[in-house]
Amino acid sequence: GAVVSQHPSWVICKSGTSVKIECRSLDFQATTMFWYRQFPKQSLMLMATSNEGSKATYEQGVEKDKFLINHASLTLSTLTVTSAHPEDSSFYICSAITRTGGLQPQHFGDGTRLSIL
Amino acid sequence: AQSVTQPDIHITVSEGASLELRCNYSYGATPYLFWYVQSPGQGLQLLLKYFSGDTLVQGIKGFEAEFKRSQSSFNLRKPSVHWSDAAEYFCAIMIKAAGNKLTFGGGTRVLVKP
Repeated sequence: GAVVSQHPSWVICKSGTSVKIECRSLDFQATTMFWYRQFPKQSLMLMATSNEGSKATYEQGVEKDKFLINHASLTLSTLTVTSAHPEDSSFYICSAITRTGGLQPQHFGDGTRLSIL
Repeated sequence: AQSVTQPDIHITVSEGASLELRCNYSYGATPYLFWYVQSPGQGLQLLLKYFSGDTLVQGIKGFEAEFKRSQSSFNLRKPSVHWSDAAEYFCAIMIKAAGNKLTFGGGTRVLVKP
């Protein structure tokens, strides 16, 4: 149980385009989802917390106009990298928990490798 | 603010040997503690967690971890490693008051020699 699916797993696109990454909880309802960014050989850095039906909460230093997050349902959150540039190339990982405030671990997707040419 | 330190960036161990990965945290109270494993190019898989109770926690894949409050540590152990255990391991803490956010350590890369 507690499976989180990310799509796509790998995307290559030209500089200036926008890219959407989907994060789905397949067998549970996720009231909260998290988006992380991971550079090579580094740890995960939290970008934002996404709660169903409300605006995402961004970590300090993360541009909310560049990284648009939508959590329209209890099983889907999307991250859109707008006007992507090479410096946005990274590994993006989402996670989900079943209910806010409960003692639940985060369950992670398999990540999306984004390469901007 | 809370923080997590994994002192060892790389560890190389022979197949069949024991493994211990260190994790120290900084937080004013007892946090919720996790160990995750990440294979190359993939997401994170939860190995085990500590919320309360018995300080020795059993996880998947033969891993266990021990919470030591006096040392602010949560070290991960495995008695006999397999080649498939080669991966990146992350220790993390969760502060409930912070909206269940995870704070990760820098990770330890485990290499397994045949």
